[in-house]
Amino acid sequence: TQLLEQSPQFLSIQEGENLTVYCNSSSVFSSLQWYRQEPGEGPVLLVTVVTGGEVKKLKRLTFQFGDARKDSSLHITAAQPGDTGLYLCAGAGTGANNLFFGTGTRLTVIP
Amino acid sequence: NAGVMQNPRHLVRRRGQEARLRCSPMKGHSHVYWYRQLPEEGLKFMVYLQKENIIDESGMPKERFSAEFPKEGPSILRIQQVVRGDSAAYFCASSLWGVKSNQPQHFGDGTRLSIL
Repeated sequence: TQLLEQSPQFLSIQEGENLTVYCNSSSVFSSLQWYRQEPGEGPVLLVTVVTGGEVKKLKRLTFQFGDARKDSSLHITAAQPGDTGLYLCAGAGTGANNLFFGTGTRLTVIP
Repeated sequence: NAGVMQNPRHLVRRRGQEARLRCSPMKGHSHVYWYRQLPEEGLKFMVYLQKENIIDESGMPKERFSAEFPKEGPSILRIQQVVRGDSAAYFCASSLWGVKSNQPQHFGDGTRLSIL
């Protein structure tokens, strides 16, 4: 089993603040995906990163894949209440047939 | 809506009954995955199927659980003789190609199973 640990587990911030969520593992992944999940709904894909060191930007969200492809981070600039949700990272292990999901970070942005 | 469709959205069963969860993948997708999620936790892989074949069932309990993805119709996750510990949200995802191709998985909104 390949474990992905996310930190922090819970995060509550004021609107307009910046934040970073981390996803760490001792295993190497061929790709890593970030999802956001809202209550009562399924995870929605935000981004897929494949190359070590890769940085992808999606409006106010910046995703980075570690050089060794063992970790990733999600940085949100000027958080908005609409960013509230459960953020999940998921890695595809080399040779694996499934995604391994992280423990999740529950973000609350207070207006 | 051409997304992944799961039904029912909510399912209540008594201990010992059977639960059948259905998943229709996105149009054109032939790879289906089932995951289980407990409250405030991430998703745990159960089984990966490609049309008419089970590719990987390493995350699925050996007893009482089974899955199929027939040539025609939705994928079915079947839980026999349900117990309280089976209460969870069950999510289905589909992709155009398998995980090894780094293709993203698209998720349905899940079936919330409650066991009385």
